Amino acid sequence: GQQVMQIPQYQHVQEGEDFTTYCNSSTTLSNIQWYKQRPGGHPVFLIQLVKSGEVKKQKRLTFQFGEAKKNSSLHITATQTTDVGTYFCAGRREYGNKLVFGAGTILRVKS
Amino acid sequence: NAGVTQTPKFQVLKTGQSMTLQCAQDMNHNSMYWYRQDPGMGLRLIYYSASEGTTDKGEVPNGYNVSRLNKREFSLRLESAAPSQTSVYFCASSEWGSGRLGNEQFFGPGTRLTVL
Repeated sequence: GQQVMQIPQYQHVQEGEDFTTYCNSSTTLSNIQWYKQRPGGHPVFLIQLVKSGEVKKQKRLTFQFGEAKKNSSLHITATQTTDVGTYFCAGRREYGNKLVFGAGTILRVKS
Repeated sequence: NAGVTQTPKFQVLKTGQSMTLQCAQDMNHNSMYWYRQDPGMGLRLIYYSASEGTTDKGEVPNGYNVSRLNKREFSLRLESAAPSQTSVYFCASSEWGSGRLGNEQFFGPGTRLTVL
């Protein structure tokens, strides 16, 4: 079945450093979504990417969707303590109607 | 609007006991989902309901049953709980219809279940 691999599993950065998490799918995706889950909380939608090669920005967050629509990345510039949490990618297969989540990347920010 | 609500928030069961997790949404969404979250494994889909009156298996359906009671409510039942079902359970909903690319999912606060 479809698998979505996400790396790294865990990253601990100093406040102000950059952070990137990567997602790779075994199959072509129709779109990919990113979610953030604060410690003890529930996942909250951040963004959806649909087009091949698409790049979207939300303040310090930059999201990319690969040309082959099989990989994606989330980059945070100059991390802040409010960025702590787990970041999940979730892919939807072409003609599919279910999301497959990556295992998530846990981000810790040291001030 | 409350969004997606789940009850209970916490539950401890003994092996073999049964229970039903309740979920309701007030956003008039067509689709609803049940996930379980285990450390290092992300969110895994148990069952989903694309629209009222339909339910389908997800990635890990064994040991669970679901009921789409109406458009608002989607319940998850454990008939005979096992320690392997110790997890955090999230319900989610979204606007989704056949042929569309899909929309964001809104998650409830979760139910933390321990099976002894």
